[in-house]
Amino acid sequence: EVQVLESGGGLVQPGGSLRLSCVASGFTFNNFAMSWVRQAPGKGLEWVSAISASTGSTYYADSVKGRFTLSRDNSKNTLYLEMNSLRAEDTAVYYCAKVPSSSWNMYYMDVWGKGTTVTVSS
Amino acid sequence: DIQMTQSPSTLSASVGDRVTITCRASQSISRWLAWYQQKPGKAPKLLIYEASSLENGVPSRFSGSGSATEFTLTISSLQPDDFATYYCQQYNSYSPWTFGQGTKVEIK
Repeated sequence: EVQVLESGGGLVQPGGSLRLSCVASGFTFNNFAMSWVRQAPGKGLEWVSAISASTGSTYYADSVKGRFTLSRDNSKNTLYLEMNSLRAEDTAVYYCAKVPSSSWNMYYMDVWGKGTTVTVSS
Repeated sequence: DIQMTQSPSTLSASVGDRVTITCRASQSISRWLAWYQQKPGKAPKLLIYEASSLENGVPSRFSGSGSATEFTLTISSLQPDDFATYYCQQYNSYSPWTFGQGTKVEIK
């Protein structure tokens, strides 16, 4: 079964850091681009970042650019989202999602994880 | 960034009803549009991609249409399992992916 599973969420103080992980299974991870999407409590979906399969080129929403870093370890079938300088407005459920192509450009997300919750509060 | 606007924000309907949700883009996105279904506390689920292509395993009562700036998601006969929130998402070339604000389909 094709699936992705997020971990690493938790409670962090404003200005703090957190690293989210997403482990993929059931597909050849290094053939597909990956993405993160978040959802603040009671709000809609917001795309955060995407990474291509092989070159590892990354793309970020303006709201997280310069604070978040997306990377992948194809040998471990794992995606990482390093989040620094966290703000209250980063509080959300963070979803890892697979893109059905090696490039994120001009593609959607076909497989989503269950999400991991990040709470930024003092 | 390309803005996506869905209407209505909330829709009350009965089992068996035909339901239509509209999504408008602030500029042409050709047919680079996806639709997702989300139930409370669950992850979004892909229903439609490239405006009208049905994802594998999605019931045929779901259909999508449109191009350029106006798109629709239609549920031909609403079933109890379809009460959820629906989001459109554009994935135009090298533009930040953006979602509509969502349409909640409620029981009438």
